[in-house]
Amino acid sequence: NAGVMQNPRHLVRRRGQEARLRCSPMKGHSHVYWYRQLPEEGLKFMVYLQKENIIDESGMPKERFSAEFPKEGPSILRIQQVVRGDSAAYFCASSPENGGTYEQYFGPGTRLTVT
Amino acid sequence: GNSVTQMEGPVTLSEEAFLTINCTYTATGYPSLFWYVQYPGEGLQLLLKATKADDKGSNKGFEATYRKETTSFHLEKGSVQVSDSAVYFCALSERAGNNDMRFGAGTRLTVKP
Repeated sequence: NAGVMQNPRHLVRRRGQEARLRCSPMKGHSHVYWYRQLPEEGLKFMVYLQKENIIDESGMPKERFSAEFPKEGPSILRIQQVVRGDSAAYFCASSPENGGTYEQYFGPGTRLTVT
Repeated sequence: GNSVTQMEGPVTLSEEAFLTINCTYTATGYPSLFWYVQYPGEGLQLLLKATKADDKGSNKGFEATYRKETTSFHLEKGSVQVSDSAVYFCALSERAGNNDMRFGAGTRLTVKP
């Protein structure tokens, strides 16, 4: 059973460009979470999605950031008009159910560098 | 709201030393508790978990006991190895609904030979 897949692993964008990060959850998992990790810092929750629904986006910046988890295909985190402060590692996690005793399974992350 | 507090790092130990990383939590009910480990350049991996009071989670020589009376879930290992060098995150999750997983800030462990 393949784990959580993320691509690309490394992404370099110039200021003002768009960054598109992909996440394929583990097989059988319908709950997806996105986190951001700045260098030498902890995880910051961004958004929680189920298929075709955003459940909790309380950690997502109001502008330039959006996320989706379509009926078919991977979850996408999109960052428009990137700025240097967006440089970070972005991790996706998935779980079979949300909360309680269910742990989240993490992907290897996408490291975004904005030049 | 729910939260997790971990001891600040970095922690530097010699090989075969005893490790304790403190973790305390605040929750309104009865959360499940987790320790995750992050090796350099990788994502987080679940190390162990405990789902109710007095449960002990264990894996790869690491242990943590869910102490409801002290709201703690301290991570311990009797003899660390260089390969244990990583960042360790304590986390809790209480109920379904919005994303309820809360992570501590992480503690960086370096083990020297």
